[in-house]
Amino acid sequence: AQSVAQPEDQVNVAEGNPLTVKCTYSVSGNPYLFWYVQYPNRGLQFLLKYITGDNLVKGSYGFEAEFNKSQTSFHLKKPSALVSDSALYFCAVRDIFGDDKIIFGKGTRLHILP
Amino acid sequence: ETGVTQTPRHLVMGMTNKKSLKCEQHLGHNAMYWYKQSAKKPLELMFVYSLEERVENNSVPSRFSPECPNSSHLFLHLHTLQPEDSALYLCASSQLTDRHYEQYFGPGTRLTVT
Repeated sequence: AQSVAQPEDQVNVAEGNPLTVKCTYSVSGNPYLFWYVQYPNRGLQFLLKYITGDNLVKGSYGFEAEFNKSQTSFHLKKPSALVSDSALYFCAVRDIFGDDKIIFGKGTRLHILP
Repeated sequence: ETGVTQTPRHLVMGMTNKKSLKCEQHLGHNAMYWYKQSAKKPLELMFVYSLEERVENNSVPSRFSPECPNSSHLFLHLHTLQPEDSALYLCASSQLTDRHYEQYFGPGTRLTVT
């Protein structure tokens, strides 16, 4: 069975500093991996995904994520944080050859301090 | 986010009421989903419809009854709910034939059961 872990409930970063939001996954086969962001009183918004190819994936709003197969990780990164990046971030995984279910992590709340 | 709309945005109902949540997608997708988002819990997948047929029902109590009359519309009919059913209910859609295709979410309906 597939699963996703986001080990941090909350991450605090000063504005202008680099940020990392951690995600590890478990699937029986190969994964499709996704990051979503949720702003207050809004639905989840797609940021980026890994399908195959380059391990470094670039997405919306300057975010990127690095797929590391040996560490089964897909950490979200941004070189310079903005206060407007403060939100709830979800990592998700789908097994390429499994059922159609996408499994979401429990979410990490990112606080960017001005 | 305007690709998937949900109404109402907020709903307060008593335990004996009957109400319905509505979701509409304007993206031409062939799959639609209902999720429940409660505080400090992972996103819970409730129902999946693929080509208007229900393909997933994650042990959801019968007081929640989904309906998918066509590929653009999804309803969640509610009756005799419990206070623990208070949550944000999110609708999403995707193109199910593309397994790496991300889901697009609506803004959610904030449900309070009194």
